[in-house]
Amino acid sequence: AQSVTQLDSQVPVFEEAPVELRCNYSSSVSVYLFWYVQYPNQGLQLLLKYLSGSTLVKGINGFEAEFNKSQTSFHLRKPSVHISDTAEYFCAVSDSRGSGGSYIPTFGRGTSLIVHP
Amino acid sequence: NAGVMQNPRHLVRRRGQEARLRCSPVKGHSHVYWYRQLPEEGLKFMVYLQKENIIDESGMPKERFSAEFPKEGPSILRIQQVVRGDSAAYFCASSPPSDRGQRDTQYFGPGTRLTVL
Repeated sequence: AQSVTQLDSQVPVFEEAPVELRCNYSSSVSVYLFWYVQYPNQGLQLLLKYLSGSTLVKGINGFEAEFNKSQTSFHLRKPSVHISDTAEYFCAVSDSRGSGGSYIPTFGRGTSLIVHP
Repeated sequence: NAGVMQNPRHLVRRRGQEARLRCSPVKGHSHVYWYRQLPEEGLKFMVYLQKENIIDESGMPKERFSAEFPKEGPSILRIQQVVRGDSAAYFCASSPPSDRGQRDTQYFGPGTRLTVL
C-alpha cells in the first residue's frame, strides 16, 4: 500500500523568503508524484507532477519539486514566496495498480503555508 | 473550457435526510472520482467511476453512500439518512479517457460543503 507523509502541518514564513514543504512517500512500485494547492473554500489545483525523466520538476507560480528516489521524498520549494501563496498544500502519490488501471492518488494531510508581510 | 462543476456548493441537511451531490466533469472526460475531506485532513478517496460503471468503490462506506455516473448527465453522490459525521467537503475530480493520455492528471471541482445539523 502507498502512503504519504507531510512532515509539517504548518509552515510560517515571511514574504520574499524561500520555503520548502516536505513530503515523503512509501510505495513498492513505481510512482507518480503530485503537489496540489488549495486556496480557502476552493478545490485543489495541480501545481506540478513527476511521472518520469528529470527529477527536478518545475510547476506553476514559481514552484519546483525534486524527486529523490533513494530518500523517497518529493519536497516542494519556492525561492521567494508572496502573500498570495498562503494556502494549503497537498502532496499525493499514485501508481497504476488501482482497479481498471486507475491512477487514484493517496494524499498527505496537507501543509498550511502562511506567508507573513 | 469549463472546468469541473459541482453543485450545490453548500448543502445543509438535518440528521436522517438525504444529500445529493452533483458533479459535471470537464467536457470530454470520462473518468470521475469522488473524495471526502474532513477538517484538517487530506482528501480520502471514495469512488472511481466511468460512464455507467463503478470501477473502484473501495473508499465508500458500506452503508448509506452510493454513486452513479449515468450515460447522460452529471455524476451523483448520494448519502442517505445523513448523520453529523457526514459533515465534510466532498470533491469531485475528472480525468481524460485512457486513449488521450494524461489519465494520471485529475482536475478538481470546487467542492460541496455538507453540513449536517
